[in-house]
Amino acid sequence: AQKVTQAQTEISVVEKEDVTLDCVYETRDTTYYLFWYKQPPSGELVFLIRRNSFDEQNEISGRYSWNFQKSTSSFNFTITASQVVDSAVYFCALSEWGSSNTGKLIFGQGTTLQVKP
Amino acid sequence: NAGVTQTPKFQVLKTGQSMTLQCAQDMNHEYMSWYRQDPGMGLRLIHYSVGAGITDQGEVPNGYNVSRSTTEDFPLRLLSAAPSQTSVYFCASSRTGGSQETQYFGPGTRLLVL
Repeated sequence: AQKVTQAQTEISVVEKEDVTLDCVYETRDTTYYLFWYKQPPSGELVFLIRRNSFDEQNEISGRYSWNFQKSTSSFNFTITASQVVDSAVYFCALSEWGSSNTGKLIFGQGTTLQVKP
Repeated sequence: NAGVTQTPKFQVLKTGQSMTLQCAQDMNHEYMSWYRQDPGMGLRLIHYSVGAGITDQGEVPNGYNVSRSTTEDFPLRLLSAAPSQTSVYFCASSRTGGSQETQYFGPGTRLLVL
């Protein structure tokens, strides 16, 4: 069955530290897509990245980077030199090709990141 | 573009009352959906629509109705609210319902049922 696990419920770091948020997924499909969303204290969900199952290249966007490893079914998210504005809940999500156009996203439980000044 | 908008932002209901959560998008997206967010459970799909006049059930549809009379609007109706429906509700839209599409979320509606 499809599942996304974010084992870290809460992480607290001091500003400028690097932090990695873990995401492990389960799926029987060979084609799928993985997403990260950020939910700041204001409550909205902000899209960060989409990655398909055929592209295992790491991605970097400013202080953000993502490491996708099919061998371990993981799609981890690293924030380098964290800032207070990075404080948020971060969600990893999975979309399967076999979901028959339902558009269903399977979300992890979320990781709350607190960055202290 | 306003993107995906939701009203109200916050609502308190008594058990048994009904209400409609509004959702609209101005991106001409075919696909729209409703999720609910509960602590420790991430977001779960309630209902979705792949186009005007077409709706279907998601993972947790009980107690909710939807309709899609226009491309832009996708209201979620609670016919008889229950305390178990206390949650934060998010509407989302994407170009199509394909798994490769990025879904964009509205700001959410926080619902408290007493």
